[in-house]
Amino acid sequence: DAGVTQSPTHLIKTRGQQVTLRCSPKSGHDTVSWYQQALGQGPQFIFQYYEEEERQRGNFPDRFSGHQFPNYSSELNVNALLLGDSALYLCASSLRTSGSLADEQYFGPGTRLTVT
Amino acid sequence: AQSVSQHNHHVILSEAASLELGCNYSYGGTVNLFWYVQYPGQHLQLLLKYFSGDPLVKGIKGFEAEFIKSKFSFNLRKPSVQWSDTAEYFCAVNAKASGTYKYIFGTGTRLKVLA
Repeated sequence: DAGVTQSPTHLIKTRGQQVTLRCSPKSGHDTVSWYQQALGQGPQFIFQYYEEEERQRGNFPDRFSGHQFPNYSSELNVNALLLGDSALYLCASSLRTSGSLADEQYFGPGTRLTVT
Repeated sequence: AQSVSQHNHHVILSEAASLELGCNYSYGGTVNLFWYVQYPGQHLQLLLKYFSGDPLVKGIKGFEAEFIKSKFSFNLRKPSVQWSDTAEYFCAVNAKASGTYKYIFGTGTRLKVLA
């Protein structure tokens, strides 16, 4: 049973560039959430995708956008990169249960983005 | 706004010592509570979770946590730590906000266990 996978593992970009990160959810999961984890901090919620639509969003600017594909995989796009965007980007997948209070999330290993 | 506070940022213990990591959240509605662990070089893994029922929850590797609703707390405990418990521990709350649920993580506690 494949867990959550993310690519690439590491990425180095220059300020002003754009980046796309990819995530494949755990088998059987239909919901993908993205988090930003800065050094020494806990993960910060960026947004969540379900049924190919953004369902929830944290306090991140519009430079952060995403997409979910019919096979439930997802992309995170960040435009006009800033030095402060350097972080570990985590993808988490879950199975949305109708009427449930919570979806247990499974995390991937993350993509380490460095902006120079 | 909802928040999660982990009071201890760094904890150093000797093997066989008892562990208690504090977690408090600020939200008055229905919450679901989690503890995650991140071992060096590995990704976040779920230790235990509380949704409802018995407020004392047992997780993997001998960890347990107690939900005390009146104190908005969900402290993590282990009677006797091992060197392999060296890791970073995150408390997380899944709470309803604006009609939907989202995870809110604490800033984490780095535990170092001395052999």
